[in-house]
Amino acid sequence: AQSVTQLGSHVSVSEGALVLLRCNYSSSVPPYLFWYVQYPNQGLQLLLKYTTGATLVKGINGFEAEFKKSETSFHLTKPSAHMSDAAEYFCAVTPIYNQGGKLIFGQGTELSVKP
Amino acid sequence: DTAVSQTPKYLVTQMGNDKSIKCEQNLGHDTMYWYKQDSKKFLKIMFSYNNKELIINETVPNRFSPKSPDKAHLNLHINSLELGDSAVYFCASSQQTGYGETQYFGPGTRLLVL
Repeated sequence: AQSVTQLGSHVSVSEGALVLLRCNYSSSVPPYLFWYVQYPNQGLQLLLKYTTGATLVKGINGFEAEFKKSETSFHLTKPSAHMSDAAEYFCAVTPIYNQGGKLIFGQGTELSVKP
Repeated sequence: DTAVSQTPKYLVTQMGNDKSIKCEQNLGHDTMYWYKQDSKKFLKIMFSYNNKELIINETVPNRFSPKSPDKAHLNLHINSLELGDSAVYFCASSQQTGYGETQYFGPGTRLLVL
């Protein structure tokens, strides 16, 4: 069964530092990949997604992610963290052969940003 | 205008009660979903509907019954509530039931069963 693993349930960085949130998927056929952000007591908002084409995907709020098929990874990065980036981040996949378009989520990574 | 809205936002109830959560989307999307987020923030699909037709039922107990009166609404009714049903329930919608479709999430309904 398809699964998504996010390494590190909690990541803490200083304001201005690089943000790196890791995501690996398990599939012999690369799925479609997403990163969502959840601010406290809110719903999820799409940051970016990879379906086809360029493997480096740019999203909102300065985030980007690179699809690496050989490493089955889709890590999320941002060059310089802002306090407003503190939130829960979820990596998710939609398996290509899946019916119904369901998202399979990783367990989430809580990002803290220190002043 | 809120794209995906849910009511109520908070729901506190006793074990054994029956409750409903309503979801509406004004995006003109064909597909709607229910997800459950547990206390560890893990998110799992429960149901999806495409144009009022059930597409996914992800081995959810029969006490949970979704209803889609039209493609803009997907309600969730829960019978005989149990402590383990305490969670945040998110409604979402997408243009179609396609691979790679962006899903737009509502703000969530926080259910607490006492």
